[in-house]
Amino acid sequence: EAEVAQSPRYKITEKSQAVAFWCDPISGHATLYWYRQILGQGPELLVQFQDESVVDDSQLPKDRFSAERLKGVDSTLKIQPAELGDSAMYLCASSPRTGDTEAFFGQGTRLTVV
Amino acid sequence: AQSVTQPDIHITVSEGASLELRCNYSYGATPYLFWYVQSPGQGLQLLLKYFSGDTLVQGIKGFEAEFKRSQSSFNLRKPSVHWSDAAEYFCAVVSDSNYQLIWGAGTKLIIKP
Repeated sequence: EAEVAQSPRYKITEKSQAVAFWCDPISGHATLYWYRQILGQGPELLVQFQDESVVDDSQLPKDRFSAERLKGVDSTLKIQPAELGDSAMYLCASSPRTGDTEAFFGQGTRLTVV
Repeated sequence: AQSVTQPDIHITVSEGASLELRCNYSYGATPYLFWYVQSPGQGLQLLLKYFSGDTLVQGIKGFEAEFKRSQSSFNLRKPSVHWSDAAEYFCAVVSDSNYQLIWGAGTKLIIKP
């Protein structure tokens, strides 16, 4: 069964350092999402891609976060510099196309900033 | 703005007992509704969805949910829970403005042996 792959599963980093997360969506899925989930809360959308284009990044803290999906397949989310408040689970999801609202999620990356 | 409310932060049930998790949404037209489950340290797995048609929706793992327009609710049910059902459950609705998911805060299900 096809899955959304994310790496690493866990990351511990010191504040002010740079950190990056990688996501490989299900093959053929045009839409890719990055979510942040703070413990005890629902996911918060950070950025949405349609192929290689950003559809929505209104909730992405652009002073420190960046996301790219250069070839419209896999994607990288970067934080530089990391802050203590960035500790969270970062989830990647994909869906076949925009408007197809069923999203398939990866296992997530648990980030701890110390 | 659209919203999703899951009134119960935690629910504790005994293994073998029935379960109902509540979800209320604010929306004008017929919404697209989802229930997802998240085991500790894991991603989210879709349990079931409602788009239209029969208001009683069957999902995976023996779960079902019923859409009630008059109550703006989409409650999740299971007749007999298993210890492996211990997880966090999220209700979500599709935004009518940008087709993105709007999430509830989640309900943590605890199973008593």
